[in-house]
Amino acid sequence: NAGVTQTPKFQVLKTGQSMTLQCAQDMNHEYMSWYRQDPGMGLRLIHYSVGAGITDQGEVPNGYNVSRSTTEDFPLRLLSAAPSQTSVYFCASSYGLGLAGKLDGEQFFGPGTRLTVL
Amino acid sequence: QQPVQSPQAVILREGEDAVINCSSSKALYSVHWYRQKHGEAPVFLMILLKGGEQKGHDKISASFNEKKQQSSLYLTASQLSYSGTYFCGTAPYNTNAGKSTFGDGTTLTVKP
Repeated sequence: NAGVTQTPKFQVLKTGQSMTLQCAQDMNHEYMSWYRQDPGMGLRLIHYSVGAGITDQGEVPNGYNVSRSTTEDFPLRLLSAAPSQTSVYFCASSYGLGLAGKLDGEQFFGPGTRLTVL
Repeated sequence: QQPVQSPQAVILREGEDAVINCSSSKALYSVHWYRQKHGEAPVFLMILLKGGEQKGHDKISASFNEKKQQSSLYLTASQLSYSGTYFCGTAPYNTNAGKSTFGDGTTLTVKP
């Protein structure tokens, strides 16, 4: 299993540019989430998904869009990049609730994408 | 509303113990703990559920006081490998942890 993979690892954008951060998991997890982590801070939930075709907003959704057409993929789109979006972005996945033998709280994180917006 | 972690940072010598606290102003259903090494992704340690059920790591323990809406992570006989930033995540009801709110972290440094 590759686990949770993210591409690219690093990205530099100019203000106003758009781009898509890719996230994929091969563990057949129902739940996937996107977080951003600013320097010295915790994780802030941007968007999450409870299954293919179902997404919802987290704490800091403005400026980002998501879609979930398959169980495996959960891309994050920056519509018009701003310097305030400079951060490290983590994608995570987890099992659904109540599955026998699975830890409901265990999220598996990808390696992150370091984004700088100039 | 994000939970509050304390202390913000702690420095230990190998073999010493540490306690990291996580408190919330809201009633909690679950608390989960992660450790993040510098430049790496967070790694799951443990989850504590309302009702006292505890799951997770076998070398680090934790408690969950539902009435006080607090959780504490106990690191006993610290090893160098324990260094990193510890985050707690909380959920007010029985929801997938991917919808949880995280604290700002406690940085633990273990020195030889």
